[in-house]
Formats: sequence, C-alpha cells, structure tokens
Amino acid sequence: EPEVTQTPSHQVTQMGQEVILRCVPISNHLYFYWYRQILGQKVEFLVSFYNNEISEKSEIFDDQFSVERPDGSNFTLKIRSTKLEDSAMYFCASSVRDSQLLAKNIQYFGAGTRLSVL
Amino acid sequence: GESVGLHLPTLSVQEGDNSIINCAYSNSASDYFIWYKQESGKGPQFIIDIRSNMDKRQGQRVTVLLNKTVKHLSLQIAATQPGDSAVYFCAETFPYGGSQGNLIFGKGTKLSVKP
Repeated sequence: EPEVTQTPSHQVTQMGQEVILRCVPISNHLYFYWYRQILGQKVEFLVSFYNNEISEKSEIFDDQFSVERPDGSNFTLKIRSTKLEDSAMYFCASSVRDSQLLAKNIQYFGAGTRLSVL
Repeated sequence: GESVGLHLPTLSVQEGDNSIINCAYSNSASDYFIWYKQESGKGPQFIIDIRSNMDKRQGQRVTVLLNKTVKHLSLQIAATQPGDSAVYFCAETFPYGGSQGNLIFGKGTKLSVKP
C-alpha cells in the first residue's frame, strides 16, 4: 500500500541552526501539506502546496519557514533559524482531490519527524 | 484561547464493548469531516470520512454520525479491540472557497481498551 515517507525520524539541532525535513508524498497525489504537533497538543496546519506553489499557510508559517518540491518526488520543509519553540513532531501529508467529489480530500500522513531544538 | 499542555479526555472501555467518541467542531461552514487514529509515535491514520450532506456513514466496525445543528460529530467503534487503543482526532475542512482543504483538528480523545 502506498504511503507517505518522512526522513529523518528524529532530528536534533542547536537553536539558530537551519533544518530541512524531507517527505516523499504518495506518487499520484497532487496536494501536499505540512502540519506540526507540539507534545501533548493537537495537530496544527502549517502550509499547503499545489502546482508548485503555496496554496495556503497559517500564522505559524512565518518567514523562517519555507517549502519546496525540488524534484518530482520530494517535498521539503525548511526552518532557517530554529527556535526552542519549534520543537515538535512535523507531519507531511498528501492527497488527491476526487474529480467528481471535489469536497473529498482524504489526507494521508507520514509517520512524522521529531524535531528537538536544544 | 487554548490551554498549553492539553489534557486529553480519556475513554476506557472493556474489550468487546462498543465505544463512542465525541467531537464538537468549530466552523458551521465546514463541509467535510474526517476521523483519524493516532497511535503512539505514529502519524494520524485515516479511519472514515463524511460530507456535510450526510448524517451517517458506516465503515468496517466504525460509524460516523454528523449533527450539523449542534456542530457535533461522533465515532462509534463496534466490538472494540486492544488494537483500537489510540488517540482519536476529528478534523474538519471546507474545501470550497479560498481554502485548499487544510484540516482543522480537534483536541483528541484517548481510547484505552482493557482486555
């Protein structure tokens, strides 16, 4: 069964360093997302990406964050200068809109990358 | 505002019993809802979805009920098994209009199944 894969599973970094979190979405999917989940809290939307550009972003997704689809398979989230409060699980998700049922948008999630900022 | 260090509601059931997990969603314009299951250390896993033009949808051992009048969603799990132990999140979205369908997650309920 196709799945979303994320690497690394755990990333430890020093405050102020840049990190890149990597995702390989499901191959025929067209929509890509990043979410984060701070320990013990609910999953929060960061950004959505379609047709090689950002579709929508939340207030969390400030100038320190960027996303890129460098090739036909990878989807990355970059944090330029990490802060302690960036420590969280980061989930990538992908979906393919049902052309007949436009409201149907099942998003499939990867296992996540745990980012620890020290 | 939201509390930091959220304490999840917990539902504890006996193996074989039926479970009902409830969720209040926030936006009356939301027209598509999904239930996700999240096991420890894993990403959310799709369980079942429902569109706003329905009030009930059944899957394998699971049923989702939608009450738009009070903005309430429930997930019923029949014959609960130990493997059902996880945190369950409801998520809402409104794919039409300006939104590209980003999910708004609820707070989650922890289901514990006693053997």
